Amino acid sequence: IAGITQAPTSQILAAGRRMTLRCTQDMRHNAMYWYRQDLGLGLRLIHYSNTAGTTGKGEVPDGYSVSRANTDDFPLTLASAVPSQTSVYFCASSVGLAGNNEQFFGPGTRLTVL
Amino acid sequence: GQNIDQPTEMTATEGAIVQINCTYQTSGFNGLFWYQQHAGEAPTFLSYNVLDGLEEKGRFSSFLSRSKGYSYLLLKELQMKDSASYLCAVRDHDYKLSFGAGTTVTVRA
Repeated sequence: IAGITQAPTSQILAAGRRMTLRCTQDMRHNAMYWYRQDLGLGLRLIHYSNTAGTTGKGEVPDGYSVSRANTDDFPLTLASAVPSQTSVYFCASSVGLAGNNEQFFGPGTRLTVL
Repeated sequence: GQNIDQPTEMTATEGAIVQINCTYQTSGFNGLFWYQQHAGEAPTFLSYNVLDGLEEKGRFSSFLSRSKGYSYLLLKELQMKDSASYLCAVRDHDYKLSFGAGTTVTVRA
């Protein structure tokens, strides 16, 4: 693995189903993030994690949950998917929250909820 | 929270210069980032400003005025591969990034 990976690449999901989007980074970054990107709205932060064992809410957390059991993995779970959660989801990581630490983005997961 | 505004679209000719403006209103400022995103791909980092002034990095430069809540990204010697969306993002006092909707730049031959 080099950098940050996400799985699946794309998914079509029936409303009401549970879904976990996976994110793994091998850069030993402390901070990780989940965003959704919708046309005309830009990237919006769902949840984030400063370091393993801690998580925080972003701008649009409702309907999503995350966990950070270790440094490398940061899965995003939709407990009961709804059509408004149709979006492209990006995971990102950075060395830390402050300073000029750029965020590195994964390739994204395109999710369609029907 | 943040309110970030940038133009939706811009078109320019190969070899020309384009300036993408970004204005923001913030409850706390802790840095401004510019990212490039090609269609169907992930955003990639271009520049970071936290102090007033110009940061130059090759053909790309970014400017910040904190008192005016204003930044711009300057793309010089435009190439066809520069056709992409450019995202302005502001980091707040909680170190969270808020992104503008992005400016789609189309470079014509």
